[in-house]
Amino acid sequence: DIQMTQSPSSLSASVGDRVTITCRASQSISSYLNWYQQKPGKAPKVLIYAASSLQSGVPSRFSGSGSGTDFTLTISSLQPEDFATYYCQQTYSTPMYTFGQGTKLEIK
Amino acid sequence: QLQLQESGPGLVKPSETLSLTCTVSGGSISSSFYYWGWIRQPPGKGLEWIGTIYYSGSTYYNPSLKSRVTISVDTSKNQFSLKLSSVTAADTALYYCARRIAVAGTTYFDYWGQGTLVTVSS
Repeated sequence: DIQMTQSPSSLSASVGDRVTITCRASQSISSYLNWYQQKPGKAPKVLIYAASSLQSGVPSRFSGSGSGTDFTLTISSLQPEDFATYYCQQTYSTPMYTFGQGTKLEIK
Repeated sequence: QLQLQESGPGLVKPSETLSLTCTVSGGSISSSFYYWGWIRQPPGKGLEWIGTIYYSGSTYYNPSLKSRVTISVDTSKNQFSLKLSSVTAADTALYYCARRIAVAGTTYFDYWGQGTLVTVSS
């Protein structure tokens, strides 16, 4: 099984900050990596697919990078609505999937 | 606009079978472009993929749950269903249904239901 490890598990930041969240795969997954945002009481929403492709309608302050085993999600300038939990998901082993454990982004 | 809605009992007794249905509206479950999946989230924890089904009935399950999971599809009702047998308290979770899309050689879940909480307790 491919394991996905996110860091940090939680993060405090201020509006306007640049934030980076990391996801590491237990083996190479090429660029088969998605990022989701989940707000309290809501279903997850896809932000980035294929490691760096921005989903339609997602603000351009979100970006993704990486390939192989190491990936990052960057928010260039945090907005109040960005405080949420973020998950990575590997799809290399499609149709089997695994998610990272999540990174909770909180207001400082 | 595509919508997915989970339904089923919110309380299940230990050792019994959890049964949920996802009703798809605003689109056809029989489209060749999509798969349909179940994902769960224990309270305060992360996401776990349970399984995925194609309209033809082809299924794929999380190996850790495979012995207890059955996912089926009813194209006439535009629904797909989840059955999880021999449940324990560890199966208490928010259960989501979702649509899986394939784009540019990769896949992701682009539409999700609102989720339904299932508690396993006597």
